[in-house]
Amino acid sequence: GAGVSQTPSNKVTEKGKYVELRCDPISGHTALYWYRQSLGQGPEFLIYFQGTGAADDSGLPNDRFFAVRPEGSVSTLKIQRTERGDSAVYLCASSPGTFSYNEQFFGPGTRLTVL
Amino acid sequence: RKEVEQDPGPFNVPEGATVAFNCTYSNSASQSFFWYRQDCRKEPKLLMSVYSSGNEDGRFTAQLNRASQYISLLIRDSKLSDSATYLCVVLQDSGGSNYKLTFGKGTLLTVNP
Repeated sequence: GAGVSQTPSNKVTEKGKYVELRCDPISGHTALYWYRQSLGQGPEFLIYFQGTGAADDSGLPNDRFFAVRPEGSVSTLKIQRTERGDSAVYLCASSPGTFSYNEQFFGPGTRLTVL
Repeated sequence: RKEVEQDPGPFNVPEGATVAFNCTYSNSASQSFFWYRQDCRKEPKLLMSVYSSGNEDGRFTAQLNRASQYISLLIRDSKLSDSATYLCVVLQDSGGSNYKLTFGKGTLLTVNP
């Protein structure tokens, strides 16, 4: 079946611009996660959705970052006034369960470059 | 101190070699432990879970020592296709059924012919 998909695969923008990154989770998965992976580092947790609500946004680095999941499926990560330090691969993951740990399945990521 | 620390690597080994990866974690309340594999410019994929009793999956053996907060992965008879970055991953329940994964930096393995 279809896995997690993310669009665009690559995004180049200029400092100060606004960007939106999209994640389509596996159908039926209620949990959705966003991670950020900088060069030479492991992924770092940003935010977790259970259904439509953000259950934990403790990983968002500052208020320029925001994410939504209005219908409990597709999610959009929004970054305002981008900075060069925001350059990274943004990974989305989904998992089926809510009451115990289920494997998180990752999408291919969006590579964001801020010039 | 980082929450999850791994051998910095990189490791370069010949085919057929045995290679070991080591990892320590700082949060004693961590609940579950995993090794993920990440190929170059690809997403991470679960390689195996790590259980207290130790577990094996073919050429791969994972060990966990909760007292020492130490996790290991052993690859025997390494293949060219094992070349990848190996990520040590720790799971914590941060409340609200948020099972947050914390990743180490990863250790790059290159298996040479």
